This record gives sequence, C-alpha cells and structure tokens, in this order.
Amino acid sequence: GESVGLHLPTLSVQEGDNSIINCAYSNSASDYFIWYKQESGKGPQFIIDIRSNMDKRQGQRVTVLLNKTVKHLSLQIAATQPGDSAVYFCAENKGRNAGNMLTFGGGTRLMVKP
Amino acid sequence: DTEVTQTPKHLVMGMTNKKSLKCEQHMGHRAMYWYKQKAKKPPELMFVYSYEKLSINESVPSRFSPECPNSSLLNLHLHALQPEDSALYLCASSQSAGDYYNEQFFGPGTRLTVL
Repeated sequence: GESVGLHLPTLSVQEGDNSIINCAYSNSASDYFIWYKQESGKGPQFIIDIRSNMDKRQGQRVTVLLNKTVKHLSLQIAATQPGDSAVYFCAENKGRNAGNMLTFGGGTRLMVKP
Repeated sequence: DTEVTQTPKHLVMGMTNKKSLKCEQHMGHRAMYWYKQKAKKPPELMFVYSYEKLSINESVPSRFSPECPNSSLLNLHLHALQPEDSALYLCASSQSAGDYYNEQFFGPGTRLTVL
C-alpha cells in the first residue's frame, strides 16, 4: 500500500516475497545512481549502484534496473527478510560538472511481515 | 577500519548554547561531508571538505560552522540555533570529491534537539 501527505510511501510485503521499490529521477546528466538502506537510528548504508550506461546490475539478493527513457530506477529485493525492513533512498550522482555530489530521492519505507 | 564514527549520539541544546558535533574516519578518505536529515525526509547536503578545504557550502546559515582539523576529523560548530534546526546530522566520507563518483560512507548521525 501507499500513504501520502506527511508520511513516507510505504511498501508492505510478506516475508519471503519479492519487493520492488521505485524511484523517479530528474537529471539526465547524472552518471551514477545509488540505492541506500537506512534502518531506524542509523545512517544510510550503501546497497548497490549502477552506472548510467547500464540498464541492470545484480548484487546479492538485490537487482537494480535503470530506465533512462522514462528516468526511472527500481530496486528489487528477492526473498525479502525481516532484516530488510528499513527506509530505502535512491540517490543520483550529479556528475563531474556538479562536483559529483549526491541528491537523494524522497525515500520508501519497506515493512516486512513475518 | 571501514567506519565513520560520530559523537555525540544525541544532543539537546538551548538556543543560546554553543556546541560541536564531531566526526572521524580512518579509511584514508580525503573528502568528508555534513548532511542534515529531518524526520521522514532524505538527507540534504550542507558542506563538503576536499583535502581539508571547504569546497561546497550549500547556502547554510552561518550559525553552522564546519571545521576540518585534519584528514580524519570533521567538526560542526553550532551557535544560536533555532528549534527548526532540530534534525539528524549525518557525516559521510569518500575517497575523494569532485573528479569522479565514489561511494560515500555514512556515520550513524547525531540526533540534535534545539529547545
């Protein structure tokens, strides 16, 4: 489900199911896209990144898909576990002309039901 | 050591107080960052230090004053803050800044409350 207003968008999944978290970005010049996981009371933790000349990259249980035509990025988590519960942020690296700074997207809360 | 540490974990201060946040890394990184994160929002960049020199200030009010005493340490001095400055302050580091993308490693943050 999704909630709007002052709350983070929330994705609720059953343990063992696959999760898909989506992100739209704005800057065509961004050269890298990164997914971070932030657990309660902790700083963001790097999950996976993808360069702009790729459309798919796989890690351990995670896959990132990049669709530059529609400026869309997604994170797929296979066999979601309770430990995956967190807020997930996408970030875009603005490229050399912008000092390679990161701009974060709004975030999605993933809740895993046991 | 692949960790960024921050102290204190929590800080409560009045609007007339002066306090400092500290950040440390021993990964040999030459770029360090301060971000501000309000509740339910993404981190927002405040400052970037590259080779101990301030390279980016994202129009942050002067009541926030960063300092980089050496390549491993980053401070954020706070003075005359407002209640709306209450937030999680995150420090990050990366191998370098500016020339090419490289991964930023984040600390756990300092939760600041301004009364």
